[in-house]
Amino acid sequence: DAMVIQNPRYQVTQFGKPVTLSCSQTLNHNVMYWYQQKSSQAPKLLFHYYDKDFNNEADTPDNFQSRRPNTSFCFLDIRSPGLGDAAMYLCATSGGTTRGNQPQHFGDGTRLSIL
Amino acid sequence: QKEVEQNSGPLSVPEGAIASLNCTYSDRGSQSFFWYRQYSGKSPELIMFIYSNGDKEDGRFTAQLNKASQYVSLLIRDSQPSDSATYLCALHTGGFKTIFGAGTRLFVKA
Repeated sequence: DAMVIQNPRYQVTQFGKPVTLSCSQTLNHNVMYWYQQKSSQAPKLLFHYYDKDFNNEADTPDNFQSRRPNTSFCFLDIRSPGLGDAAMYLCATSGGTTRGNQPQHFGDGTRLSIL
Repeated sequence: QKEVEQNSGPLSVPEGAIASLNCTYSDRGSQSFFWYRQYSGKSPELIMFIYSNGDKEDGRFTAQLNKASQYVSLLIRDSQPSDSATYLCALHTGGFKTIFGAGTRLFVKA
């Protein structure tokens, strides 16, 4: 089945220690998104890629970076995690029109804990 | 004013009843609207999308859109305990940006 896969499902890291979350997809979608979701809150868009074009939301902290080496993979790097970065991180994909109004398909998420 | 507003709930309905979930939004330029279901600790799952004013039905689910009044709703007929989840309203605001509401928690009592 075509799908969006996130690894790991659970990640524990130490305060200030860099961490990388990964996402892969077999849907061949050209748009990939990273969201942060805290308990009982809406998913908050961090950034997205349209093919190789990277788009950062204005309020995404500089501490968060992303890489997309090819269509299938996208990574979220948190350079110096703080306690406030503990959250569920969601990767999503959508198919490709330039209007961007297609439904998004989510992976199972990575729950990040900071010690 | 929040861009997407939903009553956080919980909305409690008995099994077999109709659950009605509502969402209002502020961006009149929004053209595409989505409902996602999110079980506790899981990721959002697309339930419905609607682009035009009126009703759109898919099985037990009906999405209703009224752009003039800036609201979109989701009706769940014959509610089942397995429908108990948080329902997120989302809308496309332009480019590749989709804004999500914080969700309404639905509890279906057996």
